[in-house]
Amino acid sequence: NAGVTQTPKFRVLKTGQSMTLLCAQDMNHEYMYWYRQDPGMGLRLIHYSVGEGTTAKGEVPDGYNVSRLKKQNFLLGLESAAPSQTSVYFCASSYRRLAGGPIEETQYFGPGTRLLVL
Amino acid sequence: GQNIDQPTEMTATEGAIVQINCTYQTSGFNGLFWYQQHAGEAPTFLSYNVLDGLEEKGRFSSFLSRSKGYSYLLLKELQMKDSASYLCAVRDRYGNKLVFGAGTILRVKS
Repeated sequence: NAGVTQTPKFRVLKTGQSMTLLCAQDMNHEYMYWYRQDPGMGLRLIHYSVGEGTTAKGEVPDGYNVSRLKKQNFLLGLESAAPSQTSVYFCASSYRRLAGGPIEETQYFGPGTRLLVL
Repeated sequence: GQNIDQPTEMTATEGAIVQINCTYQTSGFNGLFWYQQHAGEAPTFLSYNVLDGLEEKGRFSSFLSRSKGYSYLLLKELQMKDSASYLCAVRDRYGNKLVFGAGTILRVKS
C-alpha cells in the first residue's frame, strides 16, 4: 500500500502560470481533501470530495479548481498562479462515515507539495 | 463560525510530562482529533475523542470536555523525537470535514 501520494513534490511557478497537482490514494477511500498550510495558520481546507464525480468548496476555494473523475485521484488546479498561493499543499483521504458504523475515520495525509509562486 | 485555539509554542524537558490545550467554538461537533506533524512532513493521526473523558494510547493521552469546548493532549516520558507540531482538529456535524487549529510547536530539550 502506497497510501496517499502527491505529485509533484516541489514546483516553482511564475505569476500567471497554471499547473495541476495530483493526489492518488490506493485505500479505496470515498472522501478526499485538499488543504494548504501556511506558517502560523494551520491547515485550511481548499476543496473536498465525498465521492467520484462530486466536489465541494472548503474554507479557501478562490483561485483553485478540482476534479474527481476517478475514485482514487483528486486533482487540484491553479489556473493563474499568484504569489499568495505560495504554500505547502496537502492532500488527504478518509473512509465515508456510515450511519451506525465506526466513526473514528481519521484522515490520511500525503507527503505534501511545496509550491513557490514568483 | 469556527474557532480553535492552541498555544503557539511550548518547551519541555526530556522525560517530563507536557499538556497541550485546545479550546474550540464551532457551529457543530462530531469528534476531535489530534495529529502530530514533524517539520517538513505530513500530519499523522494520534488520537480521537467524541465522548467526554480520557483516551489513553501508550505515552499519549487525550481528554475531552464537550460542555467546556476543551481538549488536551498529554505526553508522558517525553523523548527528543516528540519535538513536533501538534494539531487539534474538530470534525463538523456532518462528519465530512475537519477544522484545524494553527498547531502547537513543542520543543523537547535535554
